[in-house]
Amino acid sequence: GAVVSQHPSRVICKSGTSVKIECRSLDFQATTMFWYRQFPKQSLMLMATSNEGSKATYEQGVEKDKFLINHASLTLSTLTVTSAHPEDSSFYICSARDPSGGSTDTQYFGPGTRLTVL
Amino acid sequence: GENVEQHPSTLSVQEGDSAVIKCTYSDSASNYFPWYKQELGKGPQLIIDIRSNVGEKKDQRIAVTLNKTAKHFSLHITETQPEDSAVYFCAATIRGGYQKVTFGTGTKLQVIP
Repeated sequence: GAVVSQHPSRVICKSGTSVKIECRSLDFQATTMFWYRQFPKQSLMLMATSNEGSKATYEQGVEKDKFLINHASLTLSTLTVTSAHPEDSSFYICSARDPSGGSTDTQYFGPGTRLTVL
Repeated sequence: GENVEQHPSTLSVQEGDSAVIKCTYSDSASNYFPWYKQELGKGPQLIIDIRSNVGEKKDQRIAVTLNKTAKHFSLHITETQPEDSAVYFCAATIRGGYQKVTFGTGTKLQVIP
């Protein structure tokens, strides 16, 4: 299947700082990527849909000014957590659809980024 | 919007036994149902999926069944092995058009050697 990478895998930061997480599709071009947040022992919660060359679409309750998404190329989307606070500590996962096989259904997930805000 | 319920939340089986995880969905327009396996500290990995034009799909020890009328779909793992231990998520979405995927709440499967 298609490969999606994330960087960094873990990050620890001080409260008030900003953190950038990168999501890359390694062997396909993704016009759409998705960002999820997962708290311990819970399911994945969609935060936003990232569209290449246009603004991201945020889910209800997700602050777009706090979680900045940029999808500047067909293989890279970034999520920046601005002015991070301890309650932002979570596991952030991106995913992308690979349309090259003729199907836009399957989402491939990255390995996730563990964010800890002190 | 779509709502996906998943049961059980935890499941322990002896190695070699079968495991069954069940999901229900609410939106009759959903027609694509993937299943993901998530190991601790990692992202979900697609293990099998089924589209609404079929009732069953099998891949080695893993099978998925779909009952469109009842809006039920299930994951069946036979001859379980310790490496099957993980959290499994079912999901539902509408094919094409980049519809968002709705996930179930997850099932933690433990295979006891």
